[in-house]
Amino acid sequence: AQKVTQAQTEISVVEKEDVTLDCVYETRDTTYYLFWYKQPPSGELVFLIRRNSFDEQNEISGRYSWNFQKSTSSFNFTITASQVVDSAVYFCALSPFRGGGNKLTFGTGTQLKVEL
Amino acid sequence: NAGVTQTPKFRILKIGQSMTLQCAQDMNHNYMYWYRQDPGMGLKLIYYSVGAGITDKGEVPNGYNVSRSTTEDFPLRLELAAPSQTSVYFCASSPRSPVNTEAFFGQGTRLTVV
Repeated sequence: AQKVTQAQTEISVVEKEDVTLDCVYETRDTTYYLFWYKQPPSGELVFLIRRNSFDEQNEISGRYSWNFQKSTSSFNFTITASQVVDSAVYFCALSPFRGGGNKLTFGTGTQLKVEL
Repeated sequence: NAGVTQTPKFRILKIGQSMTLQCAQDMNHNYMYWYRQDPGMGLKLIYYSVGAGITDKGEVPNGYNVSRSTTEDFPLRLELAAPSQTSVYFCASSPRSPVNTEAFFGQGTRLTVV
């Protein structure tokens, strides 16, 4: 069975602060994919990143960065210099590598509130 | 670029009524999925399909049925609506390729059963 844990239910920060969202996962698969999605107040799901279990390199995209540590089964997400527009629920998710397509197991999400 | 289209966007059902949530994609994707999102929770997989004529259960299939007669369409059927089925339903699709890619999600259908 697969499981994704996002222990932080809600985080509030002031604009321009850096914030890290934690994600811990469990799987018996040796190969798998990890994802982050953003769900703004409008409700749609916005894809942010997909990382396969082969690649433990950290990734940076603008103000976003991801730290994948297979040894601790974690895939944390950092927003640098947060902005009000970053306010949303962020989901971490896990899927099998083979034959699973996007059979995603989601965490319960972290509500991020960025205030002025 | 329509992507994944879900209809309706909102619906209120009475207990025991039936309805079909429609999902269509125009990207020629083989894989399609139905997820539900309960308040304050992550999404859970209801059913999925790897191609026309092939469907399989996900984590929470009870109370639902699906069919996949074409590549484009993947309707979700609720036969006897119950309050526990009040949720936001998301349809998604992804291509079949040698390497997994991300899913493309519809805008969601908000269903309330009263």
